[in-house]
Amino acid sequence: AQSVTQLDSHVSVSEGTPVLLRCNYSSSYSPSLFWYVQHPNKGLQLLLKYTSAATLVKGINGFEAEFKKSETSFHLTKPSAHMSDAAEYFCVVSSPNTGNQFYFGTGTSLTVIP
Amino acid sequence: DGGITQSPKYLFRKEGQNVTLSCEQNLNHDAMYWYRQDPGQGLRLIYYSQIVNDFQKGDIAEGYSVSREKKESFPLTVTSAQKNPTAFYLCASSIRPVYSNQPQHFGDGTRLSIL
Repeated sequence: AQSVTQLDSHVSVSEGTPVLLRCNYSSSYSPSLFWYVQHPNKGLQLLLKYTSAATLVKGINGFEAEFKKSETSFHLTKPSAHMSDAAEYFCVVSSPNTGNQFYFGTGTSLTVIP
Repeated sequence: DGGITQSPKYLFRKEGQNVTLSCEQNLNHDAMYWYRQDPGQGLRLIYYSQIVNDFQKGDIAEGYSVSREKKESFPLTVTSAQKNPTAFYLCASSIRPVYSNQPQHFGDGTRLSIL
């Protein structure tokens, strides 16, 4: 079975400091993993994806994530937070044995303090 | 620009009424999806369609219905049987997922409330 656990429901950081949003996954097969961002009353925008290529994935807006199979983790990081990063972030897993259906985490709300 | 258009942005339903949410895409994607989002929860899959004239139930299909008569369109009807329809509804599409792990692209959602 596939599942995703986002370890923090809320994260607060000061502007200019690093961001770490944590995600652990469970998957029977080699998974694909995604991070999406959602601003209020908007749809989800893809930040980055991992699909069995390089384990360190770079995305848009300075975000990156590292796939660690031994830890079943896919944490999202950014070196320096910007006010515009304040949003909801979702970690998603999919795998071929479930028809590539997406399984969403419950989200992490990121607050950036000026 | 290619994308997914959901309409209306806000919708109100009266008791006993069916309402239909529109989703149109011009990305030439084969697969389309409907999700429901409630506060503090992740997205839950209602229905999905991998090809025209075919669709499958997701995890929470009860009280909802869909059709897929055209590749570009995947409307969702919230029927009176859905007793708790207040939520944010998101439509998504992707390249046909059976052979690839492609990301899903999302519309901007429809917020449904009960009058």
